[in-house]
Amino acid sequence: AQSVTQPDIHITVSEGASLELRCNYSYGATPYLFWYVQSPGQGLQLLLKYFSGDTLVQGIKGFEAEFKRSQSSFNLRKPSVHWSDAAEYFCAVGDNFNKFYFGSGTKLNVKP
Amino acid sequence: DVKVTQSSRYLVKRTGEKVFLECVQDMDHENMFWYRQDPGLGLRLIYFSYDVKMKEKGDIPEGYSVSREKKERFSLILESASTNQTSMYLCASSATSATGELFFGEGSRLTVL
Repeated sequence: AQSVTQPDIHITVSEGASLELRCNYSYGATPYLFWYVQSPGQGLQLLLKYFSGDTLVQGIKGFEAEFKRSQSSFNLRKPSVHWSDAAEYFCAVGDNFNKFYFGSGTKLNVKP
Repeated sequence: DVKVTQSSRYLVKRTGEKVFLECVQDMDHENMFWYRQDPGLGLRLIYFSYDVKMKEKGDIPEGYSVSREKKERFSLILESASTNQTSMYLCASSATSATGELFFGEGSRLTVL
């Protein structure tokens, strides 16, 4: 069965520091992978997605993610975090039937 | 600008009441979804629809039903609300394609007293 694991529930980083949010998935076929961000009280906004090709994908707001098939991972990174990046981040995998499976989310706090 | 609109941002209902949550999308998407979001549990799929009048159960359909009479509108119905249905409800839509991503509404926070 498809599943997504985000092992970190909360992460705190200082403004200007680098960030890496972890995501591991379980899926039998080639996955479609997504990262979404949710600001407090809002819906989810797509940061980036991977379908095929280059395993390093660029997204909005300076985020990038790397697909590693051997590790079943799709970790999200940002070289320098801004206070406005404080939010909850969700990793998701989509299947061939237009269904999506989400991780439980990672809440990011940014220290001034 | 593409948009998924959920009619109510905040609702307070009493146990046993019938509750309607409405969702409209303006992107002509075939697929529409209702998710429930609870702290620590992420998003759990309640129902989805891939065409008008078509619906499929997701992971947690118990206590819910849905209606899709028009392509742009997908309603979630709680026939008899219970306190354990207090949650954030998120509607989303997507196009039918291998690369179709989800577009989300802003959510409806339901409190059942």
